[in-house]
Amino acid sequence: AQSVSQHNHHVILSEAASLELGCNYSYGGTVNLFWYVQYPGQHLQLLLKYFSGDPLVKGIKGFEAEFIKSKFSFNLRKPSVQWSDTAEYFCAVSKAAGNKLTFGGGTRVLVKP
Amino acid sequence: GAVVSQHPSRVICKSGTSVKIECRSLDFQATTMFWYRQFPKKSLMLMATSNEGSKATYEQGVEKDKFLINHASLTLSTLTVTSAHPEDSSFYICSARVEVGGYEQYFGPGTRLTVT
Repeated sequence: AQSVSQHNHHVILSEAASLELGCNYSYGGTVNLFWYVQYPGQHLQLLLKYFSGDPLVKGIKGFEAEFIKSKFSFNLRKPSVQWSDTAEYFCAVSKAAGNKLTFGGGTRVLVKP
Repeated sequence: GAVVSQHPSRVICKSGTSVKIECRSLDFQATTMFWYRQFPKKSLMLMATSNEGSKATYEQGVEKDKFLINHASLTLSTLTVTSAHPEDSSFYICSARVEVGGYEQYFGPGTRLTVT
């Protein structure tokens, strides 16, 4: 069975700092990769996704992620965070488009103003 | 974008009773919906895949007789927690999959169930 690991459970940073959240998955075949964000009191929203093509994916709100197949990784980055980026971030993997998602444990990010 | 709603947002019930949670895709049709459970400070755990017009597919370890899923139309799936116990208290989240493009899943806001 596939699994997804997010190494950081909590991250605290100041505004304008750079953010990088790690995500590794265990499945060796073709995968689709996602990052979701859950703002306080809100539902999960898709930040970005990778199905194929350019391994550097740009999403909403200035986020990007890089798929490195050799490392089974799909790390999320943002060069300069804002207070409004305070949220929980989830990495997710599926074996094929539309298939069921396996989520990582989530990373709580707190951005201090 | 695609919107998914859940009702109720919060429910408190007594042990032994049953609770029904609705998941609706408001502006698109969804042949497939998913039900997740989220424990405090933990990630989402997929419970089952709900297929319109056919039986749900349950994940290993999820009791299908306890968590009844009915996907009677292309915009509505329901999860019924039967004979609820305090250990069923949790946050239940549904998602609906769009059937075109990237087959993305759109998530509902969740339902907080508390069993007393």
